[in-house]
Amino acid sequence: NAGVMQNPRHLVRRRGQEARLRCSPMKGHSHVYWYRQLPEEGLKFMVYLQKENIIDESGMPKERFSAEFPKEGPSILRIQQVVRGDSAAYFCASSGLQGSAEAFFGQGTRLTVV
Amino acid sequence: SQQGEEDPQALSIQEGENATMNCSYKTSINNLQWYRQNSGRGLVHLILIRSNEREKHSGRLRVTLDTSKKSSSLLITASRAADTASYFCATDDGGSNYKLTFGKGTLLTVNP
Repeated sequence: NAGVMQNPRHLVRRRGQEARLRCSPMKGHSHVYWYRQLPEEGLKFMVYLQKENIIDESGMPKERFSAEFPKEGPSILRIQQVVRGDSAAYFCASSGLQGSAEAFFGQGTRLTVV
Repeated sequence: SQQGEEDPQALSIQEGENATMNCSYKTSINNLQWYRQNSGRGLVHLILIRSNEREKHSGRLRVTLDTSKKSSSLLITASRAADTASYFCATDDGGSNYKLTFGKGTLLTVNP
């Protein structure tokens, strides 16, 4: 079992560009969670998705950020028109059942906006 | 203080010594988890303790939970240089079993 796979591991974008972060959950997992970690901070919940559904996006900024988890393929976190403040590590976790107790985290994508 | 707040913020010890980190939280929880993060890397799950448990062991790790004080501690015994990392506690929001709230972490440095 390959674990939760995130790519790319590092992403550099210029201000105004779009960033697409991918997360392939563990095999058999249908619940995906995205977290953001700003420098020197703990992780902050962004969004919880099940296949084709957004369950809870209470932690997502209202503008420029979107997430999807299609029936086929990885979950995508999309950030449009990136700004320097978007620079952070973005972590994805997945679980087979709903619940944080069952979640496994990926290695993260480190986004740098220049 | 924040939900899932660790102290101290930084801890420096010698190899072989024990390291104790504390975590406080505010709301009711279903469980509390401890994670390790090496510099610039992903999260490694260490241990989960449920709200009806008071103590749990895993190898050199010992976790306690005091729900009356809304606090937890992580003890690493006989520390090694490889234990150098940031340690985070994460609590679920008692009303949501999927949303984890992390503290800012304790940076542990184990000197050889």
